[in-house]
Amino acid sequence: DTGVSQNPRHKITKRGQNVTFRCDPISEHNRLYWYRQTLGQGPEFLTYFQNEAQLEKSRLLSDRFSAERPKGSFSTLEIQRTEQGDSAMYLCASSLVNEDIQYFGAGTRLSVL
Amino acid sequence: AQTVTQSQPEMSVQEAETVTLSCTYDTSESNYYLFWYKQPPSRQMILVIRQEAYKQQNATENRFSVNFQKAAKSFSLKISDSQLGDTAMYFCAFMKPPNAGNMLTFGGGTRLMVKP
Repeated sequence: DTGVSQNPRHKITKRGQNVTFRCDPISEHNRLYWYRQTLGQGPEFLTYFQNEAQLEKSRLLSDRFSAERPKGSFSTLEIQRTEQGDSAMYLCASSLVNEDIQYFGAGTRLSVL
Repeated sequence: AQTVTQSQPEMSVQEAETVTLSCTYDTSESNYYLFWYKQPPSRQMILVIRQEAYKQQNATENRFSVNFQKAAKSFSLKISDSQLGDTAMYFCAFMKPPNAGNMLTFGGGTRLMVKP
């Protein structure tokens, strides 16, 4: 068990560029979650998957955001036409279905200049 | 919708002493889970302790214990014998039962500094 892995750890981009983050969950976990954490705040839920199905999306997930989990293993989160307000830490977590404990990755810190 | 409030943005404690972090929440659910997560500087969030709402007994994990008051919707964390490694952001979080969706709702966090 290597834990939840997120790449890259840091991403600096210019406003208007597209970025993609990757999350590799704990191998046997069927559920995968994305959260966004702005500086000094608690994480906010964005979306979650059960296997390859995206079951819920927050209103925070604007049209510029898209998440996929094509084979029910790793997931990607893409932000198109980045804005300065997208600067945040993007956290991924995973869990077994119908279990309440989520295990978090170290996050991807995005800075939009 | 659920809300979680942590009213202490920052706290400090001397090493070996005891500190209590406060958390209140609002929900219309009768069954749910509550958590305290720890986020050390530049490191990943880890679970400290969890409480199931239908259990009246307060959860304990070594030096960490909770005071769960369901009627008051209060869920405080007590850290005994504080250690330098306890320095971190602490987040209180709420979750509806897993079969009703698993998303966590977090409070704004409390920054705890343990002083030598």
